[in-house]
Amino acid sequence: DTEVTQTPKHLVMGMTNKKSLKCEQHMGHRAMYWYKQKAKKPPELMFVYSYEKLSINESVPSRFSPECPNSSLLNLHLHALQPEDSALYLCASSQDPQNSYNEQFFGPGTRLTVL
Amino acid sequence: AQSVSQHNHHVILSEAASLELGCNYSYGGTVNLFWYVQYPGQHLQLLLKYFSGDPLVKGIKGFEAEFIKSKFSFNLRKPSVQWSDTAEYFCAVRSYNTDKLIFGTGTRLQVFP
Repeated sequence: DTEVTQTPKHLVMGMTNKKSLKCEQHMGHRAMYWYKQKAKKPPELMFVYSYEKLSINESVPSRFSPECPNSSLLNLHLHALQPEDSALYLCASSQDPQNSYNEQFFGPGTRLTVL
Repeated sequence: AQSVSQHNHHVILSEAASLELGCNYSYGGTVNLFWYVQYPGQHLQLLLKYFSGDPLVKGIKGFEAEFIKSKFSFNLRKPSVQWSDTAEYFCAVRSYNTDKLIFGTGTRLQVFP
């Protein structure tokens, strides 16, 4: 299995809803990432988990809450989002965060719309 | 702070034309360099990468890139584009001692038959 999967593909939520995005990889990778990509813009890093521990938080608002229950799974819990949070949320993984020769593999993303 | 510049925002070519997309970065230390492609409706895929060694890197689908350290550049090239190369192309840089990947603003390539 050489891919990163993300569910759901699409999500529409209201500003008072609580929802979660899920990301999974079975490549034995020990680093996982969340990115946000607005239309016609590059992906922007949100969080990095390294060996299941949060290693980088790019000053993301607390209405986004990441969780890494195990080395294969990464969640992003959403609560009280704003319409400007509508975007494509990308998950990625890489083999060894301590190895500089490290490339990231991206999932297809979850397209989130906040009403 | 690190930044990545892609000066070509939108490129339109006919099939069989040659392609060169510019990428410049600002960081003085050792870097890893990447080009990713995002086909319409598909996820980001790695085209090629540079970590060390030969500065001319060959990737998938006939793409290559050249790392010129003195110019802080990593331009992407393809001698003859195809309609199927229509996509968004992102250059990305990671400094050697971090796990943060910084993307350029992207270049939208349209190839007409």
